[in-house]
Amino acid sequence: AQSVTQLGSHVSVSEGALVLLRCNYSSSVPPYLFWYVQYPNQGLQLLLKYTTGATLVKGINGFEAEFKKSETSFHLTKPSAHMSDAAEYFCAVTDNAGGTSYGKLTFGQGTILTVHP
Amino acid sequence: ETGVTQSPTHLIKTRGQQVTLRCSSQSGHNTVSWYQQALGQGPQFIFQYYREEENGRGNFPPRFSGLQFPNYSSELNVNALELDDSALYLCASSGSSGWTWEQFFGPGTRLTVL
Repeated sequence: AQSVTQLGSHVSVSEGALVLLRCNYSSSVPPYLFWYVQYPNQGLQLLLKYTTGATLVKGINGFEAEFKKSETSFHLTKPSAHMSDAAEYFCAVTDNAGGTSYGKLTFGQGTILTVHP
Repeated sequence: ETGVTQSPTHLIKTRGQQVTLRCSSQSGHNTVSWYQQALGQGPQFIFQYYREEENGRGNFPPRFSGLQFPNYSSELNVNALELDDSALYLCASSGSSGWTWEQFFGPGTRLTVL
């Protein structure tokens, strides 16, 4: 079974500071990994994804994440926080089993990012 | 290109009632997944429909059921509503085969059960 753990349910940073949101996963097969953002009263928007290939992936709004197999991690970073980054962020995993695999997403509990002036 | 739409936006029901939520998939997508997001939690997978057939199911009881129509839109039906069914219900569509990993989410339906 797959699982995702997001360390820290709340993260607070100053505008312009580094954003680091932590995600660790468990998967018995090579995973596909995702970060989604959710603004209040809205659905989920994909920030970035890792499938295969380069382990450092870049996404929208200046975010990036690095897949580290040895650490089973996929932490999300942004060099300089902006007020508009305040939202809830979800890490998710799906399996890469192929065949009849249907890409069910397993999500972490979410991390609320607060950005203060 | 129209994105994923869901209706209604909000819904209030009482315990024991039945509810139907609707989802229109993004143009060109034939796979729809439904997720339940309780307050303060991450989304939980309910089930997926691919070309009108259920293609996988999460740990939800049979009173959660669904349909997918020939135009790939979908319904989620919940019978015998319980207080714990109060949540945001998200629909996501994905592309031309069940293999596409990128799921595009709708804005959700907020269900409140009193």
